[in-house]
Amino acid sequence: QVHLQQWGAGLLKPSETLSLTCAVYGGSVSGFYWGWIRQSPGKGLEWIGDTDQANFNGKTNYHPSLKSRVTISVDTSKNQVSLNLSSVTAADTAIYYCARGEESYSYGLDFDYWGQGTLVTVSS
Amino acid sequence: DIVMTQSPLSPPVTPGEPASISCRSSQSLLHRNGNNYLDWYLQKPGQPPQLLIYLGSTRAPGVPDRFSGSGSGTDFTLKISRVEAEDVGVYYCMQALQTPRTFGQGTKLQIK
Repeated sequence: QVHLQQWGAGLLKPSETLSLTCAVYGGSVSGFYWGWIRQSPGKGLEWIGDTDQANFNGKTNYHPSLKSRVTISVDTSKNQVSLNLSSVTAADTAIYYCARGEESYSYGLDFDYWGQGTLVTVSS
Repeated sequence: DIVMTQSPLSPPVTPGEPASISCRSSQSLLHRNGNNYLDWYLQKPGQPPQLLIYLGSTRAPGVPDRFSGSGSGTDFTLKISRVEAEDVGVYYCMQALQTPRTFGQGTKLQIK
């Protein structure tokens, strides 16, 4: 059974860089997309981006509003996925989830396994 | 961006009775391959979302058959044939057709 375990700093000051890691157990990072989704307190879900860097295509997609600040990477040697978001503000306060994505008929992306979530608070 | 619209609350439902949740997209989610790229997720209190339905109507592994998805193009429905207490939570639709992937605002299922 695939299990995603996340960790990272939970309290940041404005302008700092958010860094989260997601370890994949019970499966390989290869062969799948890996994404990050966040949820602001009491709000809905916002897709941050996803990547299949560990695969042939090596494609990475980012939300246009975050593209200048976000990096998603995959470390196949550690079987981990990471998220970096620079120059954070209070608006980046949210629970951040990593998730495994799988294409259907070589298109789209369905997130079938999720990490437990990491609350990141940005406050001075 | 494709905008996904859901009603924030569903009418209260009695356990054992059916429930229906709607989702509308601002653009058609029907791909030229004939599939609708629409997912349904359930987020139970204090938990991450879980995939219920993909391609508009295909149940994810392990999802009880009381959950079903239907619809095509821009209008989709998630139905629960007989609601159980464990089904409480917020249901989100997500379009998987294009990036940025976008979610509806969620519909909270209320149990009587």
